[in-house]
Amino acid sequence: EADIYQTPRYLVIGTGKKITLECSQTMGHDKMYWYQQDPGMELHLIHYSYGVNSTEKGDLSSESTVSRIRTEHFPLTLESARPSHTSQYLCASSEARGAYNEQFFGPGTRLTVL
Amino acid sequence: QKEVEQDPGPLSVPEGAIVSLNCTYSNSAFQYFMWYRQYSRKGPELLMYTYSSGNKEDGRFTAQVDKSSKYISLFIRDSQPSDSATYLCAMSDYSSASKIIFGSGTRLSIRP
Repeated sequence: EADIYQTPRYLVIGTGKKITLECSQTMGHDKMYWYQQDPGMELHLIHYSYGVNSTEKGDLSSESTVSRIRTEHFPLTLESARPSHTSQYLCASSEARGAYNEQFFGPGTRLTVL
Repeated sequence: QKEVEQDPGPLSVPEGAIVSLNCTYSNSAFQYFMWYRQYSRKGPELLMYTYSSGNKEDGRFTAQVDKSSKYISLFIRDSQPSDSATYLCAMSDYSSASKIIFGSGTRLSIRP
């Protein structure tokens, strides 16, 4: 079944640790996105990719980095986690044809940095 | 000022009621208007999508876009407890249709 997966679903980690949030999709989509969502707040785009070896920063400044070595995989890395990084991180993907394409979201990773 | 404003609620209504959810926006270049539904501990899922102005109906759900007033609405008829979720409006313009601007979401609870 075509879907988009995120692991881990929940992560509690200490300050200064390096973490990688995984996102994979089996939908055959070229475009992938990372959003940050705090409770009661908007989703903010932090990274996006139009395809392999393409990555762009989104509208919200983030200390995280991303890579896109394979079409189906779009991991997000924090080199040194801080309490200010505590948030929900949502991964999404969409097709690349046409002016508008529906974005499909994964279930999210809830990150807590102590 | 935020580009998209959405009443955060929470909104609690009895089962069977008609629900009206609304958003206003400031960017007149927006052409694509969406409503996403997000259940607790899940990612958002697209509920309705409208291009430019007008109405769109899908079962119990109706989306309206009034570009002259920069105002969009989602109506839910015969609301059910399973409709309890956070509803996010979202929109984008033609030049950057992949970059969606989201509202902060309205938390809706349908009481049995």
